[in-house]
Amino acid sequence: AQSVTQLDSHVSVSEGTPVLLRCNYSSSYSPSLFWYVQHPNKGLQLLLKYTSAATLVKGINGFEAEFKKSETSFHLTKPSAHMSDAAEYFCVVSETYKYIFGTGTRLKVLA
Amino acid sequence: EPEVTQTPSHQVTQMGQEVILRCVPISNHLYFYWYRQILGQKVEFLVSFYNNEISEKSEIFDDQFSVERPDGSNFTLKIRSTKLEDSAMYFCASTRLAGALSSYNEQFFGPGTRLTVL
Repeated sequence: AQSVTQLDSHVSVSEGTPVLLRCNYSSSYSPSLFWYVQHPNKGLQLLLKYTSAATLVKGINGFEAEFKKSETSFHLTKPSAHMSDAAEYFCVVSETYKYIFGTGTRLKVLA
Repeated sequence: EPEVTQTPSHQVTQMGQEVILRCVPISNHLYFYWYRQILGQKVEFLVSFYNNEISEKSEIFDDQFSVERPDGSNFTLKIRSTKLEDSAMYFCASTRLAGALSSYNEQFFGPGTRLTVL
């Protein structure tokens, strides 16, 4: 069965410092993995996706994630946080017909 | 760029009333989904729909819920008799393909309908 664990429910960083949001997954097959961002009172926006091509995936707004099969991880990173990055981030695993969402990580960016 | 749309953006209803949430998926997509997000909690899968029938449904999707594609463009979620605990944001999503062709698994989400049951 598929599952996703987001290891931190809240992360606080200072503006201009690196961001690391951690995600571990469990899947029986070769999964598709995604990161979505949700700003307050907004819908879900795709940041990036892994679909068995390159293991280092670049997304929008300077985010990237690395798929590590040996560690079953798909951590999201950004070299320098911006105030506008403050939001909820969801790691998602998909094998077939549905998405399984992680519980989310709320990113706070301090001035 | 094509996008998934949902109406209304906010629906307020009385407990026990029926509600219909509407979605217009991207036009060449074949699979449709409903998810819900109770305030402060994670997004949960409700149901997937393909070729005019339900492909998969979660435990949440009980007899009070139904889905329909009444015409070539709309995809609806009906809750027959709303309960207080149905208050949530409901997201519609669509995708071209699913299954083994994982590179096409990206689901495109609508902006959501916030349902408030009083």
